[in-house]
Amino acid sequence: QKEVEQNSGPLSVPEGAIASLNCTYSDRGSQSFFWYRQYSGKSPELIMFIYSNGDKEDGRFTAQLNKASQYVSLLIRDSQPSDSATYLCASYSGAGSYQLTFGKGTKLSVIP
Amino acid sequence: DVKVTQSSRYLVKRTGEKVFLECVQDMDHENMFWYRQDPGLGLRLIYFSYDVKMKEKGDIPEGYSVSREKKERFSLILESASTNQTSMYLCASSFTSGTEAFFGQGTRLTVV
Repeated sequence: QKEVEQNSGPLSVPEGAIASLNCTYSDRGSQSFFWYRQYSGKSPELIMFIYSNGDKEDGRFTAQLNKASQYVSLLIRDSQPSDSATYLCASYSGAGSYQLTFGKGTKLSVIP
Repeated sequence: DVKVTQSSRYLVKRTGEKVFLECVQDMDHENMFWYRQDPGLGLRLIYFSYDVKMKEKGDIPEGYSVSREKKERFSLILESASTNQTSMYLCASSFTSGTEAFFGQGTRLTVV
């Protein structure tokens, strides 16, 4: 069974700080990685995706991928209370890479 | 915008009933997924489909079956509902393998 692992948290950061969320994956063949945000009682919504090694920036969010270490991270700069949510890491794996597997999520709290 | 619509937001069923959860997407996506989400366990993949009439077991298929007779519709069937199937059920779709998935609003199923 291919796995995606996340630290469940909770992770607490003060407003304005950088939040760092981490994810590891077991399928070395995985090629695409996704970060979703899920507010309580709502469905997950996509924040970012990354396919290549290195960093990808979008506004206050930066995704980092290291395929050699099988490690994906999400940095949130200038964290806001509205960023408080559960963050889910996901990747495709398995034969044909059709199976989209999620980590259990990290709960982030941004303290005003 | 991609729209993934689940037939019910809330559902209450009795033990032993056959339950149908319906999901429709309007963007001609190849892949469709059914997950259940439980506190502390994250999103767990039940079944997925990468084409019409094609289906693959996910990580927890026991007690469930699926049907995909048309590309836009993916149905989850609980053959004989049990109390341990009380959960939030989330449907998702993606254009093809390796691309981001979009979620429906979720169905909170209670089996009594």
